[in-house]
Amino acid sequence: EDKVVQSPLSLVVHEGDTVTLNCSYEVTNFRSLLWYKQEKKAPTFLFMLTSSGIEKKSGRLSSILDKKELFSILNITATQTGDSAVYLCAVDRSNAGGTSYGKLTFGQGTILTVHP
Amino acid sequence: DTGVSQNPRHKITKRGQNVTFRCDPISEHNRLYWYRQTLGQGPEFLTYFQNEAQLEKSRLLSDRFSAERPKGSFSTLEIQRTEQGDSAMYLCASSWDRDSPLHFGNGTRLTVT
Repeated sequence: EDKVVQSPLSLVVHEGDTVTLNCSYEVTNFRSLLWYKQEKKAPTFLFMLTSSGIEKKSGRLSSILDKKELFSILNITATQTGDSAVYLCAVDRSNAGGTSYGKLTFGQGTILTVHP
Repeated sequence: DTGVSQNPRHKITKRGQNVTFRCDPISEHNRLYWYRQTLGQGPEFLTYFQNEAQLEKSRLLSDRFSAERPKGSFSTLEIQRTEQGDSAMYLCASSWDRDSPLHFGNGTRLTVT
């Protein structure tokens, strides 16, 4: 059974702070790890990571994957109130043919609250 | 690209009734997925389609649940004889191909009373 564990479960910070969200996983035939941001409705895609050690950046957000230690981190610098959301981590696995299994396993999410 | 569209947004039904949800994926996306999310949890996989073929079903999908994608475009998810435990947000997602990330719709929130 694939497993994704996120920590912390919740985090409260003030605007301008930097936060680090953690995601550890256990999955057979790992294919990729994805980060999503969910603000009450649809999860919106942030990053897809497939290779270790390569940082992906988008504005104030960045993420990196460690396939040896089976974890990923999501960093948010200079946080803003608009960053308040649930951040979800998910893993995808490969099937016998090497393609995506088509089923993401999600963690419980980290609830981030940014106060002005 | 208008995003993934789901209808209805909310559905309240009495236990034992049947409900049907619709999902319109992003145009030309080949893969379509259904997930279920309960409060405080991440989404759980239910099933997915490659065009009109249903390729994978979770064991969460009991025989009261059925999903279709008859023409490889929109999809429907039907729950028969609803139970209170079916109350959840039902999310639909689509992707261009097997290597692309999923794009989610806003979901249908089901409340079974």
